[in-house]
Amino acid sequence: QLHLQESGPGLVRPSETLSLTCAVSGGSITTTSYWAWIRQPPGKGLEWIGTLYSTGSTYYTPSLKSRLTISVDTSKNQFSLKLSSVTASDTAVYYCAILYSANWYSNWFDPWGPGALVTVSS
Amino acid sequence: QAVLTQPPSVSGAPGQTVSISCTGGTSSTGAGYDVHWYQQFPRTAPKLLIYDNTHRPSGVPDRFSASKSGTSASLVITGLQAADEADYYCQSFDRSLRGWVFGGGTKLTVL
Repeated sequence: QLHLQESGPGLVRPSETLSLTCAVSGGSITTTSYWAWIRQPPGKGLEWIGTLYSTGSTYYTPSLKSRLTISVDTSKNQFSLKLSSVTASDTAVYYCAILYSANWYSNWFDPWGPGALVTVSS
Repeated sequence: QAVLTQPPSVSGAPGQTVSISCTGGTSSTGAGYDVHWYQQFPRTAPKLLIYDNTHRPSGVPDRFSASKSGTSASLVITGLQAADEADYYCQSFDRSLRGWVFGGGTKLTVL
C-alpha cells in the first residue's frame, strides 16, 4: 500500500510561487502511472488541480493552466506542484493523490496524502 | 460552482437510512463516466468510499452502497451511526472540461 506525504512552505507571499512535493513511500512511484493534485480552500469543497501521466502528458484545470506545473522525479520517488503568481484565493489545503485508472471511463483518486495547508499572505 | 450537484446537507437519526444524490451533465456522468464517492472527516484527507459507481473498497462496511443511472448517482447509508457524520463528495470526469470534477460536497449530520 503506497503512502503519500505532502511537504513545502506553509506560507507564501502574494505574487510568488507555491511549491509542494509529494513523497511516495511503501513502494515505487513507477508502479503507478497517474499523479494528481487536489486542493480544498478553507471551509469549501474539493477542486481538482491537475494530473500528470507517466507518458509526460498533463491535464490541468483551465482556471490554473497558465500558472501550473506538475512534474515527477522517479529517482526520488516523488512528484511536485508549482503554482506561480499566487493570490489569497490560492490559500487552501493541497492534497496529492494517485489517480487509479481502470479504463477510459473510470478513474478515481486513491490513496491521498494527509494534505498541506498553504496560506498566501504578506 | 461545482460541476456535479450535491445537496449541501442531509441528516438522519441513528439507525435510519439516508441518501445523497449527485447529478452531472451530458459531458460527465451522462457521457458514461463512472462516479466515485469519498468520505471526509474534519481536518483529514478524503477517503475513497465507493468506486466505479457501486463497488466498495476493502474495509468499507456494506452499510454504504451506491448506484448510478443516466446523469445521476446516489450514495445510500443504512443503519446510520454517529461515526458516519462527515462530508461526502462524488467525483467523475468531464470530457468538455477535459478534467476530473467533484461535487460540492454533502454534510451528513446524525441527529
